[in-house]
Amino acid sequence: SYELTQPPSVSVSPGQTARITCSGDEFPTKLAYWYQQKSGQAPVLVIYEDYKRPSGIPERFSASTSGTMATLTVSGAQVDDEADYYCYSTKSGGNEGVFGGGTKLTVL
Amino acid sequence: EVQLVESGGGVVQTGGSRRLSCEASEFTFGNYWMTWVRQAPGKGLEWVASIKEDGSEQKYVGSVRGRFTISRDNAKNSLYLQMDSLRAEDTGVYYCARVKAAAHMDYWGQGALVTVSS
Repeated sequence: SYELTQPPSVSVSPGQTARITCSGDEFPTKLAYWYQQKSGQAPVLVIYEDYKRPSGIPERFSASTSGTMATLTVSGAQVDDEADYYCYSTKSGGNEGVFGGGTKLTVL
Repeated sequence: EVQLVESGGGVVQTGGSRRLSCEASEFTFGNYWMTWVRQAPGKGLEWVASIKEDGSEQKYVGSVRGRFTISRDNAKNSLYLQMDSLRAEDTGVYYCARVKAAAHMDYWGQGALVTVSS
């Protein structure tokens, strides 16, 4: 079965760059998406189609893919960026998918 | 602004049934695939099921196939999840979400908590 693997946690100081990885065997042919979920809230889309940023998402959020790895980068991380981040990709045929296990980003 | 509002959550006994609803507004509901995603307490997100724009096609994660049924009523701008033979591991917050470009979820509801208890 298709799986996406993320590190459980990433920690940075305010103003530093945080990088969260997501490993998936099908990334060379499948697109990656990233969701931010703050405590007690619904997820919010921060990156779609590998690197595109929805309107309203700060420019400090960026992403890329290379081979079987997708990476979310938060440049100049702020305390407000503390959240769980999930990568997501679709299975063959689309309209069904799989999430990574999630990465807790701590900024302190 | 797109709005999705879930209802129907609550406590249900193991082996019981529950029906979740999701009312959509501020977009043309019948033009989009829709999906349910759940999250067990303290755990990550799990895609559960999706349904085509006209309801003619459904997809399920293996752990719920045969027990859950996703459906929709485009005249009422509503999405449903009928959950039968519930297990303790089905406990969690259930989110409905709009699917964009046959791929990702771009708008989410606030979620409905379902607790399966013996």
